[in-house]
Amino acid sequence: GDSVTQMEGPVTLSEEAFLTINCTYTATGYPSLFWYVQYPGEGLQLLLKATKADDKGSNKGFEATYRKETTSFHLEKGSVQVSDSAVYFCALTQVQTGANNLFFGTGTRLTVIP
Amino acid sequence: EADIYQTPRYLVIGTGKKITLECSQTMGHDKMYWYQQDPGMELHLIHYSYGVNSTEKGDLSSESTVSRIRTEHFPLTLESARPSHTSQYLCASSVDRPNYGYTFGSGTRLTVV
Repeated sequence: GDSVTQMEGPVTLSEEAFLTINCTYTATGYPSLFWYVQYPGEGLQLLLKATKADDKGSNKGFEATYRKETTSFHLEKGSVQVSDSAVYFCALTQVQTGANNLFFGTGTRLTVIP
Repeated sequence: EADIYQTPRYLVIGTGKKITLECSQTMGHDKMYWYQQDPGMELHLIHYSYGVNSTEKGDLSSESTVSRIRTEHFPLTLESARPSHTSQYLCASSVDRPNYGYTFGSGTRLTVV
């Protein structure tokens, strides 16, 4: 079945460091891929998405490229800030008859220290 | 600005009490979902609905029940709360369009003592 495997955390970085959170997927067909972010005490917010191979999603300095050949959607940011401390979830969806369910990874907690 | 609202944000309640967690959305989304999030962060789908009068159980077995009498409203009920129900509960909604993703509420943190 469809699934997402995320890099285990927690990840701790100093401010202005480079961030990569790995995400790989298993799916039949052509899924859409998402990154969600959950700040402390909040629900999940959509951070970025890509709907076909080679698409790059970007938002708030974060980027991820849909790589079909490596079945990956790694999240990157060139210079993290303390305010980026949160839990990041990779997810995929495939539209099937009557369904549109998101499959989430297990989440990666990022802590950025000043 | 949230278009999907969950109340209460925090709830501490005694064992055996009946509780209802509210979830409402103003976006006209047909699809709605309840997730339980454990302390390790992982999300577990416990209920979903594709529209009015449609409810289905999710991947994780749950003693809770849901109803969908109106498009905008998807409450979750626990008839008799237990300490094992202590968790974060997240509601989400979506449209029936490819690639849309979900919109989440801010969650209800439930503690059963």
